Amino acid sequence: AQSVAQPEDQVNVAEGNPLTVKCTYSVSGNPYLFWYVQYPNRGLQFLLKYITGDNLVKGSYGFEAEFNKSQTSFHLKKPSALVSDSALYFCAVRGSNSGNTPLVFGKGTRLSVIA
Amino acid sequence: DGGITQSPKYLFRKEGQNVTLSCEQNLNHDAMYWYRQDPGQGLRLIYYSQIVNDFQKGDIAEGYSVSREKKESFPLTVTSAQKNPTAFYLCASSSQREGIVGTDTQYFGPGTRLTVL
Repeated sequence: AQSVAQPEDQVNVAEGNPLTVKCTYSVSGNPYLFWYVQYPNRGLQFLLKYITGDNLVKGSYGFEAEFNKSQTSFHLKKPSALVSDSALYFCAVRGSNSGNTPLVFGKGTRLSVIA
Repeated sequence: DGGITQSPKYLFRKEGQNVTLSCEQNLNHDAMYWYRQDPGQGLRLIYYSQIVNDFQKGDIAEGYSVSREKKESFPLTVTSAQKNPTAFYLCASSSQREGIVGTDTQYFGPGTRLTVL
């Protein structure tokens, strides 16, 4: 069975400081990993994904994530947070051999960037 | 949100009524999905369809029905059997084929907020 854990419901960070939103996963075989962001009353926006290759993935709006196979983690990072980054962030996973099947999502982490 | 439209944005339902939420995509994606979002619970899968005229139940299918008569469309009906339908409903689509926008990535529509009066 596939699963995703986002251990923090809420992350607070000061503007200009680095931010990290944590994600760990469990999947059979190799993982496909994703991060999405959601603003109030909007759909989810794709940020970045890891399929294969370089463990450090760069995405939209200056975000990046590092795939760590030994720790089964895919933490989202940004070197310098902006107030506009305040939103709900979701990590998602599926197995590379599971075809066009639905992603499994974590429960989300609310990021609050304080000016 | 581009390429996937959901309507209406807000929907109000009286108890005992069936309502249908629309989802259309122009991304030429084979697969489409419906999720329900409640505060603090993340996204829960209702139904998904990998090809036309075929669909599978997700984790919380009871009280919902879908159809997939066209590749571009995947409407969701919330029936009167769904006891607590007030939620935010999200539609998504994806494709595994090379050359398609965002291969292997699910893209989401803007959502429909359903409220039971």
